Amino acid sequence: NAGVMQNPRHLVRRRGQEARLRCSPMKGHSHVYWYRQLPEEGLKFMVYLQKENIIDESGMPKERFSAEFPKEGPSILRIQQVVRGDSAAYFCASSPATGQGRYEQYFGPGTRLTVT
Amino acid sequence: AQSVTQLDSQVPVFEEAPVELRCNYSSSVSVYLFWYVQYPNQGLQLLLKYLSGSTLVKGINGFEAEFNKSQTSFHLRKPSVHISDTAEYFCAVSGGAGNNRKLIWGLGTSLAVNP
Repeated sequence: NAGVMQNPRHLVRRRGQEARLRCSPMKGHSHVYWYRQLPEEGLKFMVYLQKENIIDESGMPKERFSAEFPKEGPSILRIQQVVRGDSAAYFCASSPATGQGRYEQYFGPGTRLTVT
Repeated sequence: AQSVTQLDSQVPVFEEAPVELRCNYSSSVSVYLFWYVQYPNQGLQLLLKYLSGSTLVKGINGFEAEFNKSQTSFHLRKPSVHISDTAEYFCAVSGGAGNNRKLIWGLGTSLAVNP
């Protein structure tokens, strides 16, 4: 059973460009979470999604950031007009909807975004 | 609101020595508690979790943690560490139920195991 997959693993963007980060959850998982890891700030929750539905976006910056989890395909975290401060590691996690395992989140390897 | 404090940012220890990584949390509701490990340039791997029941939980790689509700702590322990345990360790809390599944994280503890 493949784990959570994220691509690309490394992404370099110039200031003002768009960044698209992809996350494929574990098989059978319908819940996806995005976190950002910044140096000196640790891990921060960004958004929690189910298929076609945003459940909690309390950690998302108000501007330039958006996330989706369509019925088919991976979850996408989109950052428009990137700035240097967006440079970070972005982690995706997934969990099943029901059962004991729904309390556990399984993480992907992350996408390391560098804005030049 | 929930928060997590990891009391030590760095813990150096010699191989085969015991280690304790400390974690305190604050929450106005019942919580679920987790420890994750992160090796350099990798994702996060779940070590163990406390959801309910026995306050002493055992995880992978010989780690265990004890949930202490009165002291709002969830310290991680291992009786004898190996070089391969060198990594960053994160304590996290969630409300767990319904829509409150997001993980709130401590800043991490860097464990350095020396020969």
